[in-house]
Amino acid sequence: GAGVSQTPSNKVTEKGKYVELRCDPISGHTALYWYRQSLGQGPEFLIYFQGTGAADDSGLPNDRFFAVRPEGSVSTLKIQRTERGDSAVYLCASSRSSSSTDTQYFGPGTRLTVL
Amino acid sequence: QKEVEQNSGPLSVPEGAIASLNCTYSDRGSQSFFWYRQYSGKSPELIMSIYSNGDKEDGRFTAQLNKASQYVSLLIRDSQPSDSATYLCAAPIYNFNKFYFGSGTKLNVKP
Repeated sequence: GAGVSQTPSNKVTEKGKYVELRCDPISGHTALYWYRQSLGQGPEFLIYFQGTGAADDSGLPNDRFFAVRPEGSVSTLKIQRTERGDSAVYLCASSRSSSSTDTQYFGPGTRLTVL
Repeated sequence: QKEVEQNSGPLSVPEGAIASLNCTYSDRGSQSFFWYRQYSGKSPELIMSIYSNGDKEDGRFTAQLNKASQYVSLLIRDSQPSDSATYLCAAPIYNFNKFYFGSGTKLNVKP
């Protein structure tokens, strides 16, 4: 079956601009996670959705970052007033449920470059 | 102390040897642990998960968990050049659903 998909695969933007990154999880997966991965580092947790609600957004670095999942499926990560330090690969993952033993399946990521 | 720690490597082993990858974690209450493999430029893919103390084997891979020592390891037997990748250890730390990843260990299997 189809895996997690993310669009765009690459996004280049200028400092100060607004960007939206989209994640389409595996069909039927109720839990959705966003991570950010910088070069040489492991994925860093940003936010987790169970259904439509953000169950834990403690990883969002500041109020320029916001994410939604209005219908409990597709999610959008929104970054306002982008800064060069926001450049990274943004990974989305989904799991069947919110159980800590459920495997998280990752999408291919969106590489964001802020000039 | 970071929540999940790994030696960044690189770890170099000859083809056919056993590669041993190690991970320590900070939360004694953590119950589940995951090993992901990440090829350069690609996203992480699950190799193994382990929840109970002891060993869990799957083909050439064995995960080992020691909750008393807060230590997880991954052994790769008969290492192949195609195993060359970064291996990430992950666990929910302090929070049931908030997963922390180590920085990854880069493995290089030499033909």
